[in-house]
Amino acid sequence: NAGVMQNPRHLVRRRGQEARLRCSPMKGHSHVYWYRQLPEEGLKFMVYLQKENIIDESGMPKERFSAEFPKEGPSILRIQQVVRGDSAAYFCASSPTVSDRAFFGQGTRLTVV
Amino acid sequence: QQPVQSPQAVILREGEDAVINCSSSKALYSVHWYRQKHGEAPVFLMILLKGGEQKGHDKISASFNEKKQQSSLYLTASQLSYSGTYFCGTENTAGGGADGLTFGKGTHLIIQP
Repeated sequence: NAGVMQNPRHLVRRRGQEARLRCSPMKGHSHVYWYRQLPEEGLKFMVYLQKENIIDESGMPKERFSAEFPKEGPSILRIQQVVRGDSAAYFCASSPTVSDRAFFGQGTRLTVV
Repeated sequence: QQPVQSPQAVILREGEDAVINCSSSKALYSVHWYRQKHGEAPVFLMILLKGGEQKGHDKISASFNEKKQQSSLYLTASQLSYSGTYFCGTENTAGGGADGLTFGKGTHLIIQP
């Protein structure tokens, strides 16, 4: 059973471009979380999704950021018109139920130049 | 609501003990402990669900107080491999809750030989 797979591992975008981050949860996991981590800081909750539904997006910036978890395929975190402040590591975690242990992917390190 | 972790950082010599605290102003449904090494994904340590619960493996254990507002992580006879940043993640409601897993800002643990 492969772990949580995130790709790409590293992503470089110019200001104004779009960034798409992908997360394939572990097999059998229907709960996905996205977190942002700035250097030397903690994991900041962004969004919690179940298949095809956004359960809680209270940590997502209101503009430019969106997330989806379609019935088929990976969860996508999309950042439009990226700015330098979006540079961070973005981690995805999945769990079989909401109160079960969450497994983290290796993260995508986004650099905006 | 983000849990509060203390201390922010700890420097120990190999073989010394450490305690990391995680607290909330409201009763929690669960507490999850993770360790993250620099540049890597957080790794699950343990989950506590019941007030008064204590659990652990090897020389790392944790407790959850009766009121379910505070958890402590205990590292006994620390080893160099224990170095990293420790995060507590908390859930405010039982399965199906909208909060997801919210993490504290982390405690940096440095073990020196």
